[in-house]
This record gives sequence, structure tokens and C-alpha cells, in this order.
Amino acid sequence: DGGITQSPKYLFRKEGQNVTLSCEQNLNHDAMYWYRQDPGQGLRLIYYSQIVNDFQKGDIAEGYSVSREKKESFPLTVTSAQKNPTAFYLCASSSRGGGSGNTIYFGEGSWLTVV
Amino acid sequence: SQQGEEDPQALSIQEGENATMNCSYKTSINNLQWYRQNSGRGLVHLILIRSNEREKHSGRLRVTLDTSKKSSSLLITASRAADTASYFCATAVNTGNQFYFGTGTSLTVIP
Repeated sequence: DGGITQSPKYLFRKEGQNVTLSCEQNLNHDAMYWYRQDPGQGLRLIYYSQIVNDFQKGDIAEGYSVSREKKESFPLTVTSAQKNPTAFYLCASSSRGGGSGNTIYFGEGSWLTVV
Repeated sequence: SQQGEEDPQALSIQEGENATMNCSYKTSINNLQWYRQNSGRGLVHLILIRSNEREKHSGRLRVTLDTSKKSSSLLITASRAADTASYFCATAVNTGNQFYFGTGTSLTVIP
């Protein structure tokens, strides 16, 4: 089936640790995105990538890092510099940017909890 | 920030009633989309309306767009318990690189 796969679904992080969330898509989409969602809140953009080997910061990039070495993969690392990382993380992709009238497809999300 | 705001934040209705939620945004857009999110899941696309369109229908969904007021509304007719979810609007600005999501409306449909 075509779609976006995020893993793991649930992840616990100790203080001071870096963790990496995986996102893989087989939709042949050029653009990929990472959003953070806090309970009862909307989505805030962390990073996005329009093409392989290129990515841009979103509204809340501090404490996060990404890479886009392959078209189908866009992993997100939550570093120890992110002081309040407990949240629901959503990966998404679209064939091109939103202004082209493309829809955005989401993975099922990853819950990150700091213990 | 371009992020929109949905209104109301929460809505509770009886099954069979219509549900209306509104979205306001800040800058000029190319298109506006509505998404649905079941609790703890990813978002699913519902409908897209372009900036040169005023109204669009899809099944029980009706979307309107007023670019002069920078607002949109989503109407769900004859609601069902399965419509219980959060609904978000998303805008795409002219530069086309990003989607901006609103704060969401939490809809509860009581059987």
C-alpha cells in the first residue's frame, strides 16, 4: 500500500538524550514535512524539505535536526537542546508545495515522552 | 505567523444535526484545505477550495471561502457519530512551499 510510515509509534526519552523519529514514504513525493502537535493544539511546522539534500526551518526548528539524503526518507532528530519535547510528532508529504494545489498526506504520528 | 484559527474550538451536537465550523487566516492564499483528525491519528484530507472559488461540495461536506474576509467555513450535514473528530483548515500561501494549519475545532456528535 502507498503511504507514509512513521516509527516508532511510542518513544520514551531520558533527559539529555537525542532520539530519532523515522519517516518513510512510497508516494514518490518531492516535499516532506515534520509537524509538532501538543495536546488540544494545532500543528506547528518544525522542518520541511522540497527536494533531496535540501531542507528549511519551520516555525519551531530550535532543538531539532533533519536530513534528506533519500527522496523517500526524512528522519527527525530531537536533540537534548529541545527543552520540552513531549508531544505528538507528525510527518507528512506532498507531491509539491501547497501553493500548487497539492494535498498533504500524513503518517499516523509518533508520541514522544520525556521520562 | 500565517496560522489560522478555527471557531469554535469545540462543538457538540446531536446525530443528524448540521455542524458548522469556521476558519480565519491572515494573508493571501492560493488555496485552503480542510483536514480531519481522529484522536491520536494522522490527519486526513477532506476537501480543497481554490482562491478563485467561493463554494465547493463533496458528499455531506460544503465548504465556502470568502477571500475578502479571509475566512472559510466547513459545513457537515446530517452528522453521524463517526464524524466525531478534530477538524483543521490549512492554507497555502503564494510562495507555495508551506502548509499552515489552524488550531482546530473538536467536534463531538452524540448518538
